[in-house]
Amino acid sequence: GESVGLHLPTLSVQEGDNSIINCAYSNSASDYFIWYKQESGKGPQFIIDIRSNMDKRQGQRVTVLLNKTVKHLSLQIAATQPGDSAVYFCAALSGGYQKVTFGTGTKLQVIP
Amino acid sequence: NAGVTQTPKFQVLKTGQSMTLQCAQDMNHEYMSWYRQDPGMGLRLIHYSVGAGITDQGEVPNGYNVSRSTTEDFPLRLLSAAPSQTSVYFCATVPNRGALTGELFFGEGSRLTVL
Repeated sequence: GESVGLHLPTLSVQEGDNSIINCAYSNSASDYFIWYKQESGKGPQFIIDIRSNMDKRQGQRVTVLLNKTVKHLSLQIAATQPGDSAVYFCAALSGGYQKVTFGTGTKLQVIP
Repeated sequence: NAGVTQTPKFQVLKTGQSMTLQCAQDMNHEYMSWYRQDPGMGLRLIHYSVGAGITDQGEVPNGYNVSRSTTEDFPLRLLSAAPSQTSVYFCATVPNRGALTGELFFGEGSRLTVL
């Protein structure tokens, strides 16, 4: 079955530096990918998404890169701020949310 | 506009007890779903609904029942709670019935402990 994994359980970065969070997926039929942010005690929040026909998508301070050849996607956060401290996880969809696999998450710690 | 509202936020049950986790949304979203979140694991889909009167099983449906009598509400029932059902439960919605893409709107979660 599908598996989605993150490379590091915890990532510590200095405030102002850029952060890169990685995710690998196993199902080559996955056609839509999303990054979510989850703060402690709260529900996940949508950050950015990318379709399988794209390699890169940018938002405000965030960029998602998709490499379908190696089944890998990454989330880049520019100028990381204390408010970015949270758990980040990716999700891979294959034909909709009925067939979604979520990653286990990377905890981002921002050092002031 | 409250979004997705889950109640209760916290609940402790004894093995064998039953209870219902409530989920209500005021965004007129057609697709509603329930997930459980366990330490070291990604969110797992329990049940989902593409509209009133229609429900289907997700990845981990055993021990849970759902119904969808209205667009707004999607309760999750535990008929006979087991310690393995100790988890944080999230209700989530997508605007369109097909839920092929788009943002999944989550509630704040319901933390359930089964003793």
